[in-house]
Amino acid sequence: GAVVSQHPSRVICKSGTSVKIECRSLDFQATTMFWYRQFPKQSLMLMATSNEGSKATYEQGVEKDKFLINHASLTLSTLTVTSAHPEDSSFYICSAKQGAGANVLTFGAGSRLTVL
Amino acid sequence: GENVEQHPSTLSVQEGDSAVIKCTYSDSASNYFPWYKQELGKRPQLIIDIRSNVGEKKDQRIAVTLNKTAKHFSLHITETQPEDSAVYFCAASQGGGGNKLTFGTGTQLKVEL
Repeated sequence: GAVVSQHPSRVICKSGTSVKIECRSLDFQATTMFWYRQFPKQSLMLMATSNEGSKATYEQGVEKDKFLINHASLTLSTLTVTSAHPEDSSFYICSAKQGAGANVLTFGAGSRLTVL
Repeated sequence: GENVEQHPSTLSVQEGDSAVIKCTYSDSASNYFPWYKQELGKRPQLIIDIRSNVGEKKDQRIAVTLNKTAKHFSLHITETQPEDSAVYFCAASQGGGGNKLTFGTGTQLKVEL
């Protein structure tokens, strides 16, 4: 079945630094990827929709200059948290749509970001 | 936009009993309703889904029902086992399952021995 790899699984960084999270579709081409954020014991909140070769579409309230999303190829989308602060600490999960007509999303394993 | 509400937030049952989790959605254009199981710190796993053209779907001990008129759908787990303990999320989307999902707030299910 479809596999989505997300890296790193855990990252700890200092306040003010930037962190990049990668989401790769291993055995299929993902025209669309979604980035979610999940706080402890809370739901998954959609941050943005990433389409290959075009700018990401951000959900209301999500700062696009803070959370940079790049989807330069059909198998890779990256989320960069710029100038990270402790309040950015969260679990970030990507999911990928396998092709334009796909009806199922495949989730990555998530990345736990801790900002000191 | 779509708003999905989920109840209860926590549910404790005895092993072998049934568990029911309910969700409501707001957007009548939503037509795909998946359920995910998430263990602590891990990715959500799709356990069952239903599309708006059917009212019920069953897969072994798991079933989902959909009432389009009332805009609510429910997850039913029978003969619960300790390994069913996890957080369950309902979700809704338009245009099929390949589009962005709006998740419910989650239900922490605990199956006690």
